[in-house]
Amino acid sequence: GAVVSQHPSWVICKSGTSVKIECRSLDFQATTMFWYRQFPKQSLMLMATSNEGSKATYEQGVEKDKFLINHASLTLSTLTVTSAHPEDSSFYICSARFSRDRRNEQFFGPGTRLTVL
Amino acid sequence: QKEVEQDPGPLSVPEGAIVSLNCTYSNSAFQYFMWYRQYSRKGPELLMYTYSSGNKEDGRFTAQVDKSSKYISLFIRDSQPSDSATYLCAIRASGSRLTFGEGTQLTVNP
Repeated sequence: GAVVSQHPSWVICKSGTSVKIECRSLDFQATTMFWYRQFPKQSLMLMATSNEGSKATYEQGVEKDKFLINHASLTLSTLTVTSAHPEDSSFYICSARFSRDRRNEQFFGPGTRLTVL
Repeated sequence: QKEVEQDPGPLSVPEGAIVSLNCTYSNSAFQYFMWYRQYSRKGPELLMYTYSSGNKEDGRFTAQVDKSSKYISLFIRDSQPSDSATYLCAIRASGSRLTFGEGTQLTVNP
C-alpha cells in the first residue's frame, strides 16, 4: 500500500515557540493532503485540507494564522503550529490522497505527538 | 447530534471470541463506509472499505452496511491479542472529506 511518513514523530517545545511538522507521500503523488488532530481517547478531527499549489481550506474553528499549512509539492505538506501553547498539545496526523484513486482513499501517516510545556 | 455515533467502549473479550463493533450515522448523503484500526500512538490503517448495503468479507473481518437503518458494523472472528487496538468507523459522501466515529477501544485477552 501507499506509504505516508511524518517527521518528527514526537516533539516537545516551550510555550510561544513555533513547530513545523512534515508529511510526505513516499511512493505516490498526493494532490490532496489532510491534517487531523486527535486528543487522547478521542477521534480524529479534520483541521484542514490542502491541495498542491493552492491555499488550504480550514475547518470551522481552526485558526489559519495559528496552523499554517503549506503544500508546495505533490509529495510534501507541512503544518506549522505558531506560538504554540499547552492547549495545542495533541497528536497530529496527516493523510494523503492519490490523485487518480477513484475510491478517494486516504493513506495516513504515523502521527506526530506534540507536547507544549 | 453527531453525524457519526460510535460507542467508545472499552470492550474486552477473550481470545477466540467474535467481536462486533458498530456505528450509526444520520446523513443520508453518506455513501462510502470504512473501518480503520489504530494502534496506540500510531496512525489509522484502513481495514475495510465498502459503498453498498450488505456484507463484505476479508479474512477474519466482515463489514456490514445497512443504509436503510444508517447502521454499519465490523465483525472480527477468532479474535487475537494482536487485534487489540482502537477501531474507528469513517464515512464520507461523494467528496473526499471523512467523518470519523469516536473509536472503540478493543482488548483481546489471551
